[in-house]
Amino acid sequence: DAKTTQPPSMDCAEGRAANLPCNHSTISGNEYVYWYRQIHSQGPQYIIHGLKNNETNEMASLIITEDRKSSTLILPHATLRDTAVYYCIVSGSARQLTFGSGTQLTVLP
Amino acid sequence: GAVVSQHPSRVICKSGTSVKIECRSLDFQATTMFWYRQFPKQSLMLMATSNEGSKATYEQGVEKDKFLINHASLTLSTLTVTSAHPEDSSFYICSASRFTMNTEAFFGQGTRLTVV
Repeated sequence: DAKTTQPPSMDCAEGRAANLPCNHSTISGNEYVYWYRQIHSQGPQYIIHGLKNNETNEMASLIITEDRKSSTLILPHATLRDTAVYYCIVSGSARQLTFGSGTQLTVLP
Repeated sequence: GAVVSQHPSRVICKSGTSVKIECRSLDFQATTMFWYRQFPKQSLMLMATSNEGSKATYEQGVEKDKFLINHASLTLSTLTVTSAHPEDSSFYICSASRFTMNTEAFFGQGTRLTVV
């Protein structure tokens, strides 16, 4: 699986959009970009995934660059409950995921 | 989304005893489940892949005789930590996904094991 690079931490003001970047320059053509988050002492929660096109669901939007070498997860209106570690994972299958160190997002009141 | 349930959520055991952790997919059939371990302030590390009806596949460095995995049905996988020691204290998490390869995987809520 391709490796990913994420900033170790980010802050965001409550109510503002949180934009979490991820670099995956070695991604292969058949690999998807998955985003999960982990709130302290809980199991990871699925957020969104995509292959080439931008994706949106009730939680977030995923913007993938045309060359697929990077992506951005957007939480449109961050709340305090969005404080968590966010993992960007590139994999050909959701059935086996390799977790990196992720980005600790702290939403500030 | 689909629900994966782990039990217990928290367990304390004495050194030398064994502990069983259950992982259930509540509303879908999971031919494969995965077991992860997470130490404090670290990321999740895959321990093993649990296949229904066959032997589990263990990652390098994970002792198969110490971490026994059974996947007897399409909705249940169990992880037994045998002869537990304090260094086995960790957060154990399972995940499962539907048969389709590229659907999302769902994680249990995790089990906090403390060996005293």
